[in-house]
Amino acid sequence: EAQVTQNPRYLITVTGKKLTVTCSQNMNHEYMSWYRQDPGLGLRQIYYSMNVEVTDKGDVPEGYKVSRKEKRNFPLILESPSPNQTSLYFCASRGTGVTEAFFGQGTRLTVV
Amino acid sequence: EDKVVQSPLSLVVHEGDTVTLNCSYEVTNFRSLLWYKQEKKAPTFLFMLTSSGIEKKSGRLSSILDKKELSSILNITATQTGDSAIYLCAVLYGMRFGAGTRLTVKP
Repeated sequence: EAQVTQNPRYLITVTGKKLTVTCSQNMNHEYMSWYRQDPGLGLRQIYYSMNVEVTDKGDVPEGYKVSRKEKRNFPLILESPSPNQTSLYFCASRGTGVTEAFFGQGTRLTVV
Repeated sequence: EDKVVQSPLSLVVHEGDTVTLNCSYEVTNFRSLLWYKQEKKAPTFLFMLTSSGIEKKSGRLSSILDKKELSSILNITATQTGDSAIYLCAVLYGMRFGAGTRLTVKP
């Protein structure tokens, strides 16, 4: 089954404790991206990747890192999480050209 | 700066009403516009619009793109409570989203 898998689905952590949210897709998609969703603000793009070893900042990259060492995986790293990073996070992937994007099930992160 | 603007941000209607949701965009590298529906979890795909003036239809939902006006509308006829959701539009190339329209359909 074609899917985008995010883990964990829920996470509560403390300020400053490094964490990684994993994202994996099995559709051989080139394009992957991370979004955060906050009430009233829609989906804001954090980082995206056009292919392996190619990543770029989205609209809200501060406080986040990503890597794309393999085509299927695109982890989101918070080196020193802060309470303002409490949010719902989505990973998405799509193929090249003009195609729809597929979303992971989301990760609800709370930083206390 | 690229931007995607949706209106209204929130809408409350009664079952059976018809609603029109709007999405306008200003982006430097437009390829297509997508509509998604989001209930309590991940967004699910509704439509992709690439050509101006061609209506896409699925049941009670339909959508059309106007490249001259840099906008799109999503229509829902004979609304049902199950249509209650956030409706998101996004623009390729780069998957930039609007803030969404929260639609509430009351019985």
